[in-house]
Formats: sequence, structure tokens, C-alpha cells
Amino acid sequence: DQQVKQNSPSLSVQEGRISILNCDYTNSMFDYFLWYKKYPAEGPTFLISISSIKDKNEDGRFTVFLNKSAKHLSLHIVPSQPGDSAVYFCAASEDGNNDMRFGAGTRLTVKP
Amino acid sequence: DSGVTQTPKHLITATGQRVTLRCSPRSGDLSVYWYQQSLDQGLQFLIQYYNGEERAKGNILERFSAQQFPDLHSELNLSSLELGDSALYFCASSVAQNNSPLHFGNGTRLTVT
Repeated sequence: DQQVKQNSPSLSVQEGRISILNCDYTNSMFDYFLWYKKYPAEGPTFLISISSIKDKNEDGRFTVFLNKSAKHLSLHIVPSQPGDSAVYFCAASEDGNNDMRFGAGTRLTVKP
Repeated sequence: DSGVTQTPKHLITATGQRVTLRCSPRSGDLSVYWYQQSLDQGLQFLIQYYNGEERAKGNILERFSAQQFPDLHSELNLSSLELGDSALYFCASSVAQNNSPLHFGNGTRLTVT
């Protein structure tokens, strides 16, 4: 039961350009959304979050956009840097709960 | 360093055996979560504890069990192991019960042969 889907297993962008990672969800009860970054041999690291009362949240080079009607969120990284190369997971949870559901991840490669 | 400690890092065992994975949450975090990541798949939520009590249950098999102790560390017990149980098992912790980012340990890689 994949409630959170990341349909692109991989993405490759040039250094300095924008990276856009996408995520779709099916559970309309989700109201808290997060992006995590994962390097090999490490656990996922929290990157940025957004609650359902907002449609945008920005933190430095990272911006998350939420489109509730489309049940879609995206992560924009501008400008992309080689150190951003990692697997990115989106996650979501319902109000009152914190048992997050994760997508399968998108492997981002930023080329110098 | 997330502050979440998982031991052991690697575990190799045979089918039918039982293993225990251990997790120490970040200082001050009351919630502990267990996730399973099989090859090239996302993280599957197994179970959550909050201050010693089970809070939420996901796709956790009956052969698996967990607990959170008074000092807030947690153990995940996997029994009657099968080849398909080979995976990365992550523990995470959070300060609150909801709308709170999870902080993950580096995982225990379990190989069942």
C-alpha cells in the first residue's frame, strides 16, 4: 500500500542548475510532509518540512511546494551542488500521528 | 551525527534464528520508531513507541516485536528469520508525538543466510 510515491527513481542535473524532485500521495489525511536526504551508509537526514496549512516553505537553497488539491509536493534545490548528490525521500504523516510513510526515494546526481 | 545510536552495525545470521537490534534515541527524545528498508525500496514503517508505550503499528510481522525501556532505549526482536528479512533496519527518534521530524540512526544491516 504505497501511500507516498516517488515515480522518478533517478535524476541527473548540472551543477548550478535547478533540481526538482517530485512526490505524490494518496492519503488525504496527510497533513505534515517532509523531505529527507540520504547518503550511502548513513541514515536519512531531515532536510525540510511543510504543514498542510502552507503551500511553500523555503530554507536556503531548498524550497518545498505543496499542492493539496493535486496531492503533490516537490522539492526545489537552487543552485544544485555536487554535494547534493544523494537519495531524497519524501515522507508524510497524518494529524496527531508521527508514524511517517516514505516514498521509495529519488537518486539525485549533480554533475560538476 | 543525528544522536541516535544503533547497534550492531552489521549482523549475519542463519534462517530460523532470532536477533535483537538495539537503539538509543537522541537525548530528550521520547518517541522511537523502527523502519525496514529492503533492497532499493523505501522505508517501511514497523512500529512506534512513545515514553515506553506502543503508539502506532505499521507493517510489522508477527515474528517481530519491539519494546521501549524506562531509559527510553528500544529493542527490535526478529525471530524465525527468513531470507526475505535481510534488510537495513533503521531506528529514529523524535521529541514529540506529531509534526516532529524524525532523526535517524545509521541503521543495522541484517543478512540472513
